[in-house]
Amino acid sequence: KNQVEQSPQSLIILEGKNCTLQCNYTVSPFSNLRWYKQDTGRGPVSLTIMTFSENTKSNGRYTATLDADTKQSSLHITASQLSDSASYICVVSLMDSSYKLIFGSGTRLLVRP
Amino acid sequence: GAVVSQHPSWVICKSGTSVKIECRSLDFQATTMFWYRQFPKQSLMLMATSNEGSKATYEQGVEKDKFLINHASLTLSTLTVTSAHPEDSSFYICSAVEAGRRFYEQYFGPGTRLTVT
Repeated sequence: KNQVEQSPQSLIILEGKNCTLQCNYTVSPFSNLRWYKQDTGRGPVSLTIMTFSENTKSNGRYTATLDADTKQSSLHITASQLSDSASYICVVSLMDSSYKLIFGSGTRLLVRP
Repeated sequence: GAVVSQHPSWVICKSGTSVKIECRSLDFQATTMFWYRQFPKQSLMLMATSNEGSKATYEQGVEKDKFLINHASLTLSTLTVTSAHPEDSSFYICSAVEAGRRFYEQYFGPGTRLTVT
């Protein structure tokens, strides 16, 4: 069964601190892995997208890693800001013609001043 | 970048009435659009896949007669919630696939909050 699991479920950090979110997946056939940021009451916004051959991808203060052998990914947020408070969703795309995405349950991050 | 809009952004309706939600790709053509619903503190759940000019494909457990989807053009898909009930209250999000891109990127709309009273 295609699944994407994320941890932790929720996280509270102080402004300026770093944090790392985890994602494990069992999806086949694997095409690519994406990290999305979703603010409350808004649609998801893409942060990074990686294929199996890419180990890391950065987008500003966000850095995603991918280990295709262990089927694990992480999203590292550097020097957190209050605006980083959101849900972060790990999503895996199937390599077929369906365009379907397999969603993780997300990590709810709260950055406190 | 590719932009997807939804209208309305929020709607309140009475039980038994129907509500139509629009999803538009503003600066690209989308042969495929998806409709999701999201309950509080949960992730997105795919409801149906909408292909331009053909019938939508619904996920298991989604009533096609209750959630009518029309994808009449390459830039517009609509979701109509018929005879809405309080349990249909949710956050509805659409996404659109931009044809021809390497990873057929799905661009998400901002969502529509539906409250049925």
